[in-house]
Amino acid sequence: GAVVSQHPSWVICKSGTSVKIECRSLDFQATTMFWYRQFPKQSLMLMATSNEGSKATYEQGVEKDKFLINHASLTLSTLTVTSAHPEDSSFYICSARVPGPPMNEQFFGPGTRLTVL
Amino acid sequence: GDSVTQMEGPVTLSEEAFLTINCTYTATGYPSLFWYVQYPGEGLQLLLKATKADDKGSNKGFEATYRKETTSFHLEKGSVQVSDSAVYFCALSSNTGNQFYFGTGTSLTVIP
Repeated sequence: GAVVSQHPSWVICKSGTSVKIECRSLDFQATTMFWYRQFPKQSLMLMATSNEGSKATYEQGVEKDKFLINHASLTLSTLTVTSAHPEDSSFYICSARVPGPPMNEQFFGPGTRLTVL
Repeated sequence: GDSVTQMEGPVTLSEEAFLTINCTYTATGYPSLFWYVQYPGEGLQLLLKATKADDKGSNKGFEATYRKETTSFHLEKGSVQVSDSAVYFCALSSNTGNQFYFGTGTSLTVIP
């Protein structure tokens, strides 16, 4: 089946630093990937849609300059949290849509837990 | 717009009890419906899915039927185990797959 990996699985950083999270589709090419954020005991919130070779589409209220997304290849999308602050601490989950039918299925990565001190 | 309404938890059951977690949806067109499970500290795992009306998704003893007439996709299991303790999310995907809508999640704890 379709497998999506994320790296790192957890990261702790100091306030003011930038953190990059990678999302890879391991056995398929993904033209579209998605980034979600999950706060403790809450549901997933879609942050942005990452399209290979073009700019990401951000959801309302998500700061583009804060959360930089790059989808440089068909198997890799990266999320960079710039100048991280404690309020950015969260669980970040990516997903990828498998090309071809059914077009409406996404496969999720295992998530990255970010803690900003 | 499209949305998913999920039964609020937490839910606590004894081992071997019957489980129902309600999920209803609002959508235009013909969405696909999913149940995901999240174990503590982990990402989401697809539990089961249904892509059209009257489809029944099943996996690991869990079942859910896509009911268009009641716009529901309730999750059921006849006999829960301690290892089923997790958070369960109902989700809807639009026709294009560009939008995934999640319910708020239901925490299940199964006690021996």
